[in-house]
Amino acid sequence: QSVLTQPPSTSGTPGQRVTISCSGSSSNIGTNAVNWYQQLPGTAPKLLIYNNNQRPSGVPDRFSGSKSGTSASLAISGLQSEDEADYYCAAWDDSLNGHVVFGGGTKLTVL
Amino acid sequence: QVQLQESGPGLVKPSDTLSLTCGVSGDSIRSYNWWGWIRQPPGKGLEWIGYIYDSGTTYYNPALKSRVTMSVATSKNQFSLKLSSVTAVDTAVYYCARTRWLRSPFDYWGQGTLVTVSS
Repeated sequence: QSVLTQPPSTSGTPGQRVTISCSGSSSNIGTNAVNWYQQLPGTAPKLLIYNNNQRPSGVPDRFSGSKSGTSASLAISGLQSEDEADYYCAAWDDSLNGHVVFGGGTKLTVL
Repeated sequence: QVQLQESGPGLVKPSDTLSLTCGVSGDSIRSYNWWGWIRQPPGKGLEWIGYIYDSGTTYYNPALKSRVTMSVATSKNQFSLKLSSVTAVDTAVYYCARTRWLRSPFDYWGQGTLVTVSS
């Protein structure tokens, strides 16, 4: 059972906009930044969004993040087949002397 | 370009200690960054194991804290993970990664190494 809650799966067709939610609590998302990682099949995770809504260099602006209260969302617009991957949210949790918590991951299927 | 590379045995016996090393190139272990380990059981999600700073300061996952030891070898520009008393549930791909400061995201990752716990 992951500390951050994500839907196990979602899907969309090319060109559509999809969102992935990430729900936490006051000790993690409520007080700390949310980061999102993309994991393509058979590869290591890659940082996609950091500090709630910032994109690292090279990440297309089709990807965007937001946070409100104890929840966060990742939005992907203009969906492309190469976006098919697992997506994970993560945040620092202030409880128990501090630690990183991940969501369980969301499998995005491009139909 | 920062690169990280995990190395270590791919097979560990139950009750033994899992030992992995992460070699860093393109950056110095002593560059005020934190260095971390994350694992992923086959077909499952990511689990943070812990961080270490070059001074030796560590933060560990509370669920694994009693079995985890991390260390830094500055002369070799590498850092290491030891996980004791392993069982089958510790079978996973183990990733090493860099984070710029505490609470910041992992910006560089190794390719990962599969460690199987089996007799």
